[in-house]
Amino acid sequence: DARVTQTPRHKVTEMGQEVTMRCQPILGHNTVFWYRQTMMQGLELLAYFRNRAPLDDSGMPKDRFSAEMPDATLATLKIQPSEPRDSAVYFCASGFYYRSSTDTQYFGPGTRLTVL
Amino acid sequence: DAKTTQPNSMESNEEEPVHLPCNHSTISGTDYIHWYRQLPSQGPEYVIHGLTSNVNNRMASLAIAEDRKSSTLILHRATLRDAAVYYCILRGYVISNFGNEKLTFGTGTRLTIIP
Repeated sequence: DARVTQTPRHKVTEMGQEVTMRCQPILGHNTVFWYRQTMMQGLELLAYFRNRAPLDDSGMPKDRFSAEMPDATLATLKIQPSEPRDSAVYFCASGFYYRSSTDTQYFGPGTRLTVL
Repeated sequence: DAKTTQPNSMESNEEEPVHLPCNHSTISGTDYIHWYRQLPSQGPEYVIHGLTSNVNNRMASLAIAEDRKSSTLILHRATLRDAAVYYCILRGYVISNFGNEKLTFGTGTRLTIIP
């Protein structure tokens, strides 16, 4: 089965450090999403890309978060500097979308980030 | 975005059917009803989706009310592995180069299966 992979699965860091999370979408998918999940806020969309171009990053704190797709097989989410309130599980998802929204999203296992 | 309302939690006995309700009274004519679930310590996974007619797949069935203001996800024979948070999500259908891909997750229904 094709799967979305994410690395690292767990990350513990200290406040102020840079954190980079990586995602490998399913081969052939043209859309990649980054979500964040916390107990307080639930699952929220941070940003997403279509054909490697950012379409919407309105859910992302712009001052410290950045998301990129250097190539079709890699998406990155970077936090610099990290803060304790960034502690959450970060999910990457991918899908193939063309002219309809009935296609499904496939989620990775997530990166659990703890900022001390 | 049209909103959905789900019970916070439900319990069901193992090997019995489970009916998970979702209210979406403000649904528009072109909104699809999607269901995802999130097993413990995993990312969400797609379960099923529909527009007007009832739908079946290997995981579940989706029953959609005639006025489309509510729907029910049916697990025909729940197992312990079905214990998860189930999310009912509305997604618009847009014919354009930029479809309405975004998923807006609510709080979902936490389903507990009793052995």
